[in-house]
Amino acid sequence: GENVEQHPSTLSVQEGDSAVIKCTYSDSASNYFPWYKQELGKGPQLIIDIRSNVGEKKDQRIAVTLNKTAKHFSLHITETQPEDSAVYFCAASTGNNAGNMLTFGGGTRLMVKP
Amino acid sequence: GAVVSQHPSRVICKSGTSVKIECRSLDFQATTMFWYRQFPKQSLMLMATSNEGSKATYEQGVEKDKFLINHASLTLSTLTVTSAHPEDSSFYICSARTAPNYGYTFGSGTRLTVV
Repeated sequence: GENVEQHPSTLSVQEGDSAVIKCTYSDSASNYFPWYKQELGKGPQLIIDIRSNVGEKKDQRIAVTLNKTAKHFSLHITETQPEDSAVYFCAASTGNNAGNMLTFGGGTRLMVKP
Repeated sequence: GAVVSQHPSRVICKSGTSVKIECRSLDFQATTMFWYRQFPKQSLMLMATSNEGSKATYEQGVEKDKFLINHASLTLSTLTVTSAHPEDSSFYICSARTAPNYGYTFGSGTRLTVV
């Protein structure tokens, strides 16, 4: 089955700096790669996603890049703010059917210091 | 956008009792829902895949007789933790995949504490 590795497990940055979180996956058939933000006591919230036919996607301060050959994808957050502090999860999925499961990375605890 | 409603948000129960958690898709039909368990400072681990009108598919190591899943309609899946023990205390989260872009939407989670 799919295995998703995520690094680093913790990341501390100064407000205004950029943060980068990296993930690798094992199943070359994976074609959907979402990123989630989870705040304490809440469910994961989708912040950005990318599909295998695209190399990069950007939404304001957040961007994701995908390298299918190397089987890795990264989350980039620019101009970080204290409210960006949370746990971030990457995930991977195969197929386009409702029953295809998501496999999660181990998570990254991002702390943005004011 | 798609919304998955999960209730209750937190529950405390006595050891040996059963607890039911509901997961509803509010504005879409979900033929499949997923149930995850998350321990403190850990990632989400898939417990089972819930299929409308048929039996759930459980991940290896998850006791199907302990974690009963019912997906009787296209908008509701329930997870019942039977004969709960303190080690079942965890954060349970449901999810469903939506059309047309087939993204995954998550419920807000249920904090279960067994005392």
